[in-house]
Amino acid sequence: RKEVEQDPGPFNVPEGATVAFNCTYSNSASQSFFWYRQDCRKEPKLLMSVYSSGNEDGRFTAQLNRASQYISLLIRDSKLSDSATYLCVVNSGFGNEKLTFGTGTRLTIIP
Amino acid sequence: GAGVSQSPSNKVTEKGKDVELRCDPISGHTALYWYRQSLGQGLEFLIYFQGNSAPDKSGLPSDRFSAERTGGSVSTLTIQRTQQEDSAVYLCASARRGVWETQYFGPGTRLLVL
Repeated sequence: RKEVEQDPGPFNVPEGATVAFNCTYSNSASQSFFWYRQDCRKEPKLLMSVYSSGNEDGRFTAQLNRASQYISLLIRDSKLSDSATYLCVVNSGFGNEKLTFGTGTRLTIIP
Repeated sequence: GAGVSQSPSNKVTEKGKDVELRCDPISGHTALYWYRQSLGQGLEFLIYFQGNSAPDKSGLPSDRFSAERTGGSVSTLTIQRTQQEDSAVYLCASARRGVWETQYFGPGTRLLVL
């Protein structure tokens, strides 16, 4: 089983729709969770950290479910500019500084 | 302020040659990471530096790969006797202190081994 697994997509979603991605992780001792965004042929950039209580940043909501070992990202009122690959990122265990990146979920917003 | 910079941006080399890739992290960031990303693949962790501590080299794929970080700032990733499977984008990232903080990525070095 991969340390971090994501549905690769692609997700093709009409503008204005709501889209959700899930990501599962294998190491129950992981403590740090993030969503990064990567545009085509660009470097990844942090979208948001994921906190135990869940967190929201504008149209984006991230949730963590430790019992089932998955994190989710919800995008509301999607914009054309949301088209990108979304990377789920998890640290490799308690006190471990190594981050493991998922292979990403590709999202295309259709006008 | 200035972000993470990497050089060269592109490198084409012949199989068997050595290459050096450079990363200049954000000033004051103590954590520095190297990753590589092959076409259509996720990021693969290579090595992690934190201050003056011994680096975590657990992701280096073979002994042909090595990295240094001089003076806690600039880092160099060296690949000896390059192979075609080494072709990838090599990304460097820095963070203020550690894994729980934002990693800022450089634009990457695209390496092509012929």
